[in-house]
Amino acid sequence: AQSVTQLDSHVSVSEGTPVLLRCNYSSSYSPSLFWYVQHPNKGLQLLLKYTSAATLVKGINGFEAEFKKSETSFHLTKPSAHMSDAAEYFCVVRTDRDDKIIFGKGTRLHILP
Amino acid sequence: EAQVTQNPRYLITVTGKKLTVTCSQNMNHEYMSWYRQDPGLGLRQIYYSMNVEVTDKGDVPEGYKVSRKEKRNFPLILESPSPNQTSLYFCASRRQGRDNEQFFGPGTRLTVL
Repeated sequence: AQSVTQLDSHVSVSEGTPVLLRCNYSSSYSPSLFWYVQHPNKGLQLLLKYTSAATLVKGINGFEAEFKKSETSFHLTKPSAHMSDAAEYFCVVRTDRDDKIIFGKGTRLHILP
Repeated sequence: EAQVTQNPRYLITVTGKKLTVTCSQNMNHEYMSWYRQDPGLGLRQIYYSMNVEVTDKGDVPEGYKVSRKEKRNFPLILESPSPNQTSLYFCASRRQGRDNEQFFGPGTRLTVL
């Protein structure tokens, strides 16, 4: 069975410092992986997706993620945090076998001035 | 503009009073789904539909019904709402195929007293 684990429920970083949001997945089949962002009182917006092409994926707003099959990870990074990055981030996995979509429980990112 | 719309955006109701939350998409997507979002639990899938007249249960279907009579619409029906259905609900749609991202509606905040 597939699953996705976001290792931190809250992450705090100072403005201008790097961001790392961790995601590990479990899947018996080739997964597609996504990161979504949800700003306060807003819907979900796609940041980036991995679909078996390049393992390093670039998304919007300077975010990127690297698919590491050996570590079953898809961590989200950004070199320099901005106040507008404060939001909740969801890692999502989808598999070929049954097209089922599974959300992680989310990581709330706090940006300190 | 390509979008998923939901109505109402906010709803306060009482236990047992039937309600319907509408969802409509204008992108001709085959796949539509409903999620509920609760603090610390991320998004959990309630029902999904892979095409017209085809619906299936997600992870938390109890207390909900859906229908898919037309491709663009996917209403969520609560026949007898209970307080444990107080939540934030999202409708989403996408094209069939594992690599395709989901587009989310703006959310419906439901309170059942």
